Amino acid sequence: SAVISQKPSRDICQRGTSLTIQCQVDSQVTMMFWYRQQPGQSLTLIATANQGSEATYESGFVIDKFPISRPNLTFSTLTVSNMSPEDSSIYLCSVEDLAGVNIQYFGAGTRLSVL
Amino acid sequence: ELKVEQNPLFLSMQEGKNYTIYCNYSTTSDRLYWYRQDPGKSLESLFVLLSNGAVKQEGRLMASLDTKARLSTLHITAAVHDLSATYFCAAAYSGGGADGLTFGKGTHLIIQP
Repeated sequence: SAVISQKPSRDICQRGTSLTIQCQVDSQVTMMFWYRQQPGQSLTLIATANQGSEATYESGFVIDKFPISRPNLTFSTLTVSNMSPEDSSIYLCSVEDLAGVNIQYFGAGTRLSVL
Repeated sequence: ELKVEQNPLFLSMQEGKNYTIYCNYSTTSDRLYWYRQDPGKSLESLFVLLSNGAVKQEGRLMASLDTKARLSTLHITAAVHDLSATYFCAAAYSGGGADGLTFGKGTHLIIQP
């Protein structure tokens, strides 16, 4: 199984600022995924981060708002830019174990509150 | 576009009872997942179903997949309080590679003693 570490675990930010969330995996993975979970809601895929190429964003999410880096096979960052209160959510990274079991593992999440 | 619908969205039941959560998806999917989420926690993987007719069981939980009906079920047998949580199903299609998941809205399950 994959062990995923996310930092920070929570933060309170001011409107108009940016926050970068880090995701570290204990094994090399080709793809990493970023999700958003708004309060009391389900998870929505933001983007897929493939090492060595630009991230692929889902409908409704844009690179200027959620830039992603993927410098190597064990690490990725998601930045939430120019934040507003509507960005208050839990942000989770995920990886898929392709070693025959196809399980997708999730980090503990980053709980973001924007004032 | 893949869509996932779960029902019920809220379920309150008594210990010892059986119940089923349903998960329908709109287009071809080659992987169906069930997750559990406790309040304030991340997601815990319960089952991955990969083929038509797949059935997996862990303790009091059993999941099944019918790809022809585009339906997965999570059956709870003789529920206990510790199973209280939110349960999500999620689907993906990628032809065998890794792909992001489309989640249902979740079923908030409360099991009362």
